[in-house]
Amino acid sequence: DAGVIQSPRHEVTEMGQEVTLRCKPISGHDYLFWYRQTMMRGLELLIYFNNNVPIDDSGMPEDRFSAKMPNASFSTLKIQPSEPRDSAVYFCASGDRRANYGYTFGSGTRLTVV
Amino acid sequence: AQSVTQLGSHVSVSEGALVLLRCNYSSSVPPYLFWYVQYPNQGLQLLLKYTSAATLVKGINGFEAEFKKSETSFHLTKPSAHMSDAAEYFCAVSERSNYQLIWGAGTKLIIKP
Repeated sequence: DAGVIQSPRHEVTEMGQEVTLRCKPISGHDYLFWYRQTMMRGLELLIYFNNNVPIDDSGMPEDRFSAKMPNASFSTLKIQPSEPRDSAVYFCASGDRRANYGYTFGSGTRLTVV
Repeated sequence: AQSVTQLGSHVSVSEGALVLLRCNYSSSVPPYLFWYVQYPNQGLQLLLKYTSAATLVKGINGFEAEFKKSETSFHLTKPSAHMSDAAEYFCAVSERSNYQLIWGAGTKLIIKP
């Protein structure tokens, strides 16, 4: 099992550009979570999906952020337009509720908006 | 609403000394409890979890945690610290009816040589 795979690992972009972060969850996991981590705010839940359906997106900071999960093996988090305050590490995590809980995290995407 | 409190944003111990990281939760019903570790520039890794079996839970890398319902605590311990234990540790809780984790603020463990 390759674990949760995120791409890219690092992204540097200019303010105003569109950014797309990608995540491949562990096969068979029915939950997928997107988190953002910064020094100031710590770990924040942005949105999560159950069986590809968005359940709670109350953590999405603004309309500039959107997330999709078109199938069980792929999800994207898009920021359009990006701003310097979006600079953070974005983590994707997946989980199987039937398997005694706990999530598996990807290695994260470090986003820098200049 | 559920909340998780980790006492101390930074904890410093000498190599070979006992590690104790504190976590308290607020819940009237025993929840599921987790400890995760984050090494620099990496994602979070599950250390151990309590899901209603034995109250003393053993995890990876020699860590263990004890669920104490009367104290609403789930403190993480390790008898002898190694330099490789330097990382940030997060306590998290979920209600049995809800798969969403509520996170503590994290504790950075510093190991002194």
